[in-house]
Amino acid sequence: EPEVTQTPSHQVTQMGQEVILRCVPISNHLYFYWYRQILGQKVEFLVSFYNNEISEKSEIFDDQFSVERPDGSNFTLKIRSTKLEDSAMYFCASSGAPHANTGELFFGEGSRLTVL
Amino acid sequence: GQNIDQPTEMTATEGAIVQINCTYQTSGFNGLFWYQQHAGEAPTFLSYNVLDGLEEKGRFSSFLSRSKGYSYLLLKELQMKDSASYLCAVIDMDSNYQLIWGAGTKLIIKP
Repeated sequence: EPEVTQTPSHQVTQMGQEVILRCVPISNHLYFYWYRQILGQKVEFLVSFYNNEISEKSEIFDDQFSVERPDGSNFTLKIRSTKLEDSAMYFCASSGAPHANTGELFFGEGSRLTVL
Repeated sequence: GQNIDQPTEMTATEGAIVQINCTYQTSGFNGLFWYQQHAGEAPTFLSYNVLDGLEEKGRFSSFLSRSKGYSYLLLKELQMKDSASYLCAVIDMDSNYQLIWGAGTKLIIKP
């Protein structure tokens, strides 16, 4: 069964360092998303990506964040200068259709980021 | 504004039935999802409702009333593996179709 894969599963970094989280969406999907979930809190939308550009982003997704699809398979989230409050589980998701049209979201297993 | 309310935690017995409620206030409702999330894992899709009524899928059913801004997830014949958080999420057209998530209901199943 096709699945979304994420690496690394866990990353520990020092405050101020750059972090890149990688995702390989399901191969025939066109819509890609990043969400985050701070421990014990709700899932929060960060950004959606379609046709090689950002289609929507939340207030959380400030200038410290960027996304890229460097090749035909990877979808990356970069945090330029990490802060303590960036510590969270980051989930990548993909869908074959916009989720507004019943496109089910397929989530990766998540990348846990710990900022010290 | 947008708001989604779910109970924080519920407890039920193995083999029983449990109903998890979700109420929402959004200006541009365009569908509601239920996801299951085991601790430390990714959410997995359970159901999608956009029209009023009950959608049944095996042991799980989901109900929607748009006029009341209300949904519930019904789990039958509970199994220990159903212990998880259940997340209600709403598509909001007025937020460019963003998925707005509830905080989730932690369901504890006891033998």
